[in-house]
Amino acid sequence: KAGVTQTPRYLIKTRGQQVTLSCSPISGHRSVSWYQQTPGQGLQFLFEYFSETQRNKGNFPGRFSGRQFSNSRSEMNVSTLELGDSALYLCASSFTSGTYNEQFFGPGTRLTVL
Amino acid sequence: AQSVTQLGSHVSVSEGALVLLRCNYSSSVPPYLFWYVQYPNQGLQLLLKYTTGATLVKGINGFEAEFKKSETSFHLTKPSAHMSDAAEYFCAVSGYNAGGTSYGKLTFGQGTILTVHP
Repeated sequence: KAGVTQTPRYLIKTRGQQVTLSCSPISGHRSVSWYQQTPGQGLQFLFEYFSETQRNKGNFPGRFSGRQFSNSRSEMNVSTLELGDSALYLCASSFTSGTYNEQFFGPGTRLTVL
Repeated sequence: AQSVTQLGSHVSVSEGALVLLRCNYSSSVPPYLFWYVQYPNQGLQLLLKYTTGATLVKGINGFEAEFKKSETSFHLTKPSAHMSDAAEYFCAVSGYNAGGTSYGKLTFGQGTILTVHP
């Protein structure tokens, strides 16, 4: 069974641009969560989607948005990029939404903002 | 709100020695707790999880953790360290929204980098 895939793996953008990251969950998984990982702030929850609906959202500005498609694939978008958005963005999928459903993580997308 | 504190951002052990990574949590509801490992340039891999039932949880690669409610702790141990254990380890607690419904939100500790010396 293929794992969670994220594309692209590396991305370089300049301030003010926007970026879209993609996540394909494990086949059959319907929940996708996004996390931002930085050396200073650690791992922080961005949002979770389940059956195309946003179930929960972390404490990030509105520049960060996401969506989920009918095939459970998810995208997250960051508009008007800032230097502080440089981070590893991790996507995780689980069979369903819930406290103890194991989340399987992808390898991440490394975003660098210049 | 829930939070996790990992004591020690760096832990160094010799190969064959005991590994002990400390994690304390704060939660107003019964917590579900997880330990993840991250190797360089990779995502997170689940080592073990505590939901309900037995408080001593065994995971992959010889790791185990004990849930101690009275101490609000969930420390990770391994009897004998191996060079391949060198990585960053994260303790996490599952999240609830304001209405008490659980969703797929994990709150992570700051991580502990484990170094294993030959």
